[in-house]
Amino acid sequence: DGGITQSPKYLFRKEGQNVTLSCEQNLNHDAMYWYRQDPGQGLRLIYYSQIVNDFQKGDIAEGYSVSREKKESFPLTVTSAQKNPTAFYLCASSTGIVTEAFFGQGTRLTVV
Amino acid sequence: AQKVTQAQTEISVVEKEDVTLDCVYETRDTTYYLFWYKQPPSGELVFLIRRNSFDEQNEISGRYSWNFQKSTSSFNFTITASQVVDSAVYFCALRHYGGTSYGKLTFGQGTILTVHP
Repeated sequence: DGGITQSPKYLFRKEGQNVTLSCEQNLNHDAMYWYRQDPGQGLRLIYYSQIVNDFQKGDIAEGYSVSREKKESFPLTVTSAQKNPTAFYLCASSTGIVTEAFFGQGTRLTVV
Repeated sequence: AQKVTQAQTEISVVEKEDVTLDCVYETRDTTYYLFWYKQPPSGELVFLIRRNSFDEQNEISGRYSWNFQKSTSSFNFTITASQVVDSAVYFCALRHYGGTSYGKLTFGQGTILTVHP
């Protein structure tokens, strides 16, 4: 079955540690996105990538980093520089600019 | 600024009532794409509809209908005869087509809809 896989579903980390969230898609989509969701804040864009080896900062990129070395993978690293990393993270992909984005099931990150 | 505003944070209705979710957007692009998504309690976003900036035709899909008005930069979503299963968070989104934000997909804050039996 084609789709977007985010792993793990729940993630716990100690403050000060970097953590990498996985996002893999087998839909052959060119574009991929990372969003953060906090209660009452909607979805805020962290990074997005239109093609392999290229990505752009979204609205809240500080404290995050990404890579796009393969078409099917777009991992997100939450660094220790991110002040409030506890949130629900959603990954999405789309074939291009005119089509809808498909979302993964999300990763809930808790930093203690 | 390019952004999406969903002014209604929460809406509560009784089953069988009609409900309209508002979405207002701002963009400098002449070409752009608008979307609506539903997020049930499970958390995964479900795509509902896509509309491009050149297509102002309203659309109906079962109990769902969408009203796109370019003159007021609005893309409102109406659920007719609401049901308990419609309870979810609904998001409006805008994809940019031009300039340095090419491909950027921006979401509104979302509207929490609760349908009571």
